[in-house]
Amino acid sequence: SQQGEEDPQALSIQEGENATMNCSYKTSINNLQWYRQNSGRGLVHLILIRSNEREKHSGRLRVTLDTSKKSSSLLITASRAADTASYFCAMGSGSARQLTFGSGTQLTVLP
Amino acid sequence: NAGVTQTPKFQVLKTGQSMTLQCAQDMNHEYMSWYRQDPGMGLRLIHYSVGAGITDQGEVPNGYNVSRSTTEDFPLRLLSAAPSQTSVYFCASTPIPNTEAFFGQGTRLTVV
Repeated sequence: SQQGEEDPQALSIQEGENATMNCSYKTSINNLQWYRQNSGRGLVHLILIRSNEREKHSGRLRVTLDTSKKSSSLLITASRAADTASYFCAMGSGSARQLTFGSGTQLTVLP
Repeated sequence: NAGVTQTPKFQVLKTGQSMTLQCAQDMNHEYMSWYRQDPGMGLRLIHYSVGAGITDQGEVPNGYNVSRSTTEDFPLRLLSAAPSQTSVYFCASTPIPNTEAFFGQGTRLTVV
């Protein structure tokens, strides 16, 4: 399976700081997505970046993709306590019909 | 809009019991899937469906059955519950493969 690995597993920062999470994957992809999961809730889609894109922005989110290194990063700028959640990368591949997910990063933003 | 609705939210089963986790979506999405989430392991695909009448196995299908008689519903059946099936189960739907997935709120299942 095309599982992704995320780094770090856990991250704790102060409100107002930036948070960076990284995702590495194993095989070719069509797109890479990031999801957020609040404690005890379902996953919510944040952003999708296609394999021919290198960078994408959405509000305070910035995603980069390096297909040569098979890696992606998610940057959350000016973090808020409400950003506290788990963040997952998910790989979309043309050869598979469903997404495969990374193991997640638990982000804690301290007020 | 309801989106993806899962029932029940919580369930405790005894080993050997069977049950069905319900999933319904009102977005007319063709593609639906079931994942299980275990601590430190992310989400693993159990079964998926690309349309009514069509289902296929994912990464961890053993011990689970699915059917897709309508576009809206995609139930997951546990045939004979085992403690290893203690997990949080998520149903998701997408309009197109490998695009934005919409998730239900999850079912937390404990098998004792």
